Amino acid sequence: DAKTTQPPSMDCAEGRAANLPCNHSTISGNEYVYWYRQIHSQGPQYIIHGLKNNETNEMASLIITEDRKSSTLILPHATLRDTAVYYCIVRVGSSNTGKLIFGQGTTLQVKP
Amino acid sequence: SAVISQKPSRDICQRGTSLTIQCQVDSQVTMMFWYRQQPGQSLTLIATANQGSEATYESGFVIDKFPISRPNLTFSTLTVSNMSPEDSSIYLCSVARHGGEAFFGQGTRLTVV
Repeated sequence: DAKTTQPPSMDCAEGRAANLPCNHSTISGNEYVYWYRQIHSQGPQYIIHGLKNNETNEMASLIITEDRKSSTLILPHATLRDTAVYYCIVRVGSSNTGKLIFGQGTTLQVKP
Repeated sequence: SAVISQKPSRDICQRGTSLTIQCQVDSQVTMMFWYRQQPGQSLTLIATANQGSEATYESGFVIDKFPISRPNLTFSTLTVSNMSPEDSSIYLCSVARHGGEAFFGQGTRLTVV
């Protein structure tokens, strides 16, 4: 699975959009981009995933560049409850193997 | 989504002893995964548990230290053997759905004293 690079930390004002970047320059054609988050003392939570098209669900939007070498997770209206560590993971999918290789992620702090 | 229950949620254990962590899923799944999260660190995959076969361990993890059972398609256990303070971590189990997204239990917070 391809390696990802994320900034270690970011701040966002409550109510504003949070844009979390991820670089995955070595991504292969059959690899998907997955995003998870881990709120303190809880298990990681699936957010969204995509292959090459932009994706949106009730939690977030995922924007993947045309060359697929980077992506951005967008939380449109961040709340204090969105404070968490966000992990960008690239893996062959959507197989149901479920094996994930976690990097260090981005700690997002949403401030009032 | 999948509902995953882990027991115990936390424990404090004496060094040299063993702890068995249970993971129960609300539906049948082919593979279950065990992760470790050391204090202040990200998650590291320990092993993949398939029903009816030996677990597959990642580099740096061995069966003698982390024996795993997978007696059926909804249940698995991870044992942390001969514990030392370095084993103090959160241990999480995980399953995946056909769409590829993984779901995690709430974890077992282990402290070894």
